Amino acid sequence: AQTVTQSQPEMSVQEAETVTLSCTYDTSESDYYLFWYKQPPSRQMILVIRQEAYKQQNATENRFSVNFQKAAKSFSLKISDSQLGDAAMYFCAYRLTSQGAQKLVFGQGTRLTINP
Amino acid sequence: DTGVSQNPRHKITKRGQNVTFRCDPISEHNRLYWYRQTLGQGPEFLTYFQNEAQLEKSRLLSDRFSAERPKGSFSTLEIQRTEQGDSAMYLCASSFFSGGLNEQFFGPGTRLTVL
Repeated sequence: AQTVTQSQPEMSVQEAETVTLSCTYDTSESDYYLFWYKQPPSRQMILVIRQEAYKQQNATENRFSVNFQKAAKSFSLKISDSQLGDAAMYFCAYRLTSQGAQKLVFGQGTRLTINP
Repeated sequence: DTGVSQNPRHKITKRGQNVTFRCDPISEHNRLYWYRQTLGQGPEFLTYFQNEAQLEKSRLLSDRFSAERPKGSFSTLEIQRTEQGDSAMYLCASSFFSGGLNEQFFGPGTRLTVL
């Protein structure tokens, strides 16, 4: 069974600084997607960034980037120039690419606090 | 904004009562998913539909849980004889499946409290 582990229940960072959230996963599959979702307080979850496992190049979306280490089964999220609006729960998630395998498997989450 | 909507947003019920939640997906989305999120945890998959067909159910979905998606539009999730352990946030997501990434868009959730 696939599992996703986020070992940092809480993280904090000063506004404008850089923070890295960790995620590891366990799978015997070679073809899958990895995601980082953001869940602000009392608001819906939104997709921050995604990575296809077959791609060696790390994904980047503006201030958000990932460090994907397939052999180590590691998928960390780096947030540069942190802003107050980045405060949220962040979830790492995994999904197989096969058409019949649609469920997202989530980690436990990391609560990110931004200090002004 | 025509995102995924869920009703009610909050539900408080007494143990043993039945509850029903509704999810309205983004129009044109042919897939609809239900997840459950307990306090301090990540969401856990419950079930998903393609159009009106329920294609996968988690073993978390006990006999007391039933989900439907009549006509392939909105979906309902019913919990019969609620238990205190059912207290959680119930999240709905939808996607347009045409192969490939098939990004899931989430609703705001229904928070259930069972007293």
